[in-house]
Amino acid sequence: GDSVTQMEGPVTLSEEAFLTINCTYTATGYPSLFWYVQYPGEGLQLLLKATKADDKGSNKGFEATYRKETTSFHLEKGSVQVSDSAVYFCALDSWGKFQFGAGTQVVVTP
Amino acid sequence: EAGVTQSPTHLIKTRGQQATLRCSPISGHTSVYWYQQALGLGLQFLLWYDEGEERNRGNFPPRFSGRQFPNYSSELNVNALELEDSALYLCASSLGQSRKPQHFGDGTRLSIL
Repeated sequence: GDSVTQMEGPVTLSEEAFLTINCTYTATGYPSLFWYVQYPGEGLQLLLKATKADDKGSNKGFEATYRKETTSFHLEKGSVQVSDSAVYFCALDSWGKFQFGAGTQVVVTP
Repeated sequence: EAGVTQSPTHLIKTRGQQATLRCSPISGHTSVYWYQQALGLGLQFLLWYDEGEERNRGNFPPRFSGRQFPNYSSELNVNALELEDSALYLCASSLGQSRKPQHFGDGTRLSIL
């Protein structure tokens, strides 16, 4: 069945460091892929999305590219801030089949 | 624009009872999704409703059920509650059918004693 695997956290890094959170998926067909973020004390919110192979989603300095050949959708940010501390979820939507990764906690220290 | 609203915020029940959770989607959204977020298990997809019909369900027993009303609000019913049903239940809504970004509510915390 469909599934999403993302790297376990917590990921701890210093302000201005480079962040990568790996996400790979298994799906029949061609799913849409999403990254959601949950800031402390807040609900889940969409960070970015990509709907087909080679699409690049971007928002708030974060980017992720839909790689069909490696079935991946890794999240990257070139220079993180303390305010990026949150839990990040990779997710796929394959025509009514929804899967979320377990979430990766990111802690950014000053 | 009002976001997705869920009620109640917290719900305490005992084993064997029934629980009803409610969700109001963002205005104009016709699809409603329900997820279970149990400790350490991430989000597990429960149910998807669109235009009043159940479109898909996740790998949960039949005692998890729900419905969507003509105004697109939805309720999730959990019968014969078990201890392992203790979790945060999240509702999300989206425009139209799948492959659209989902907008999440803050959840209902269900505790089974």
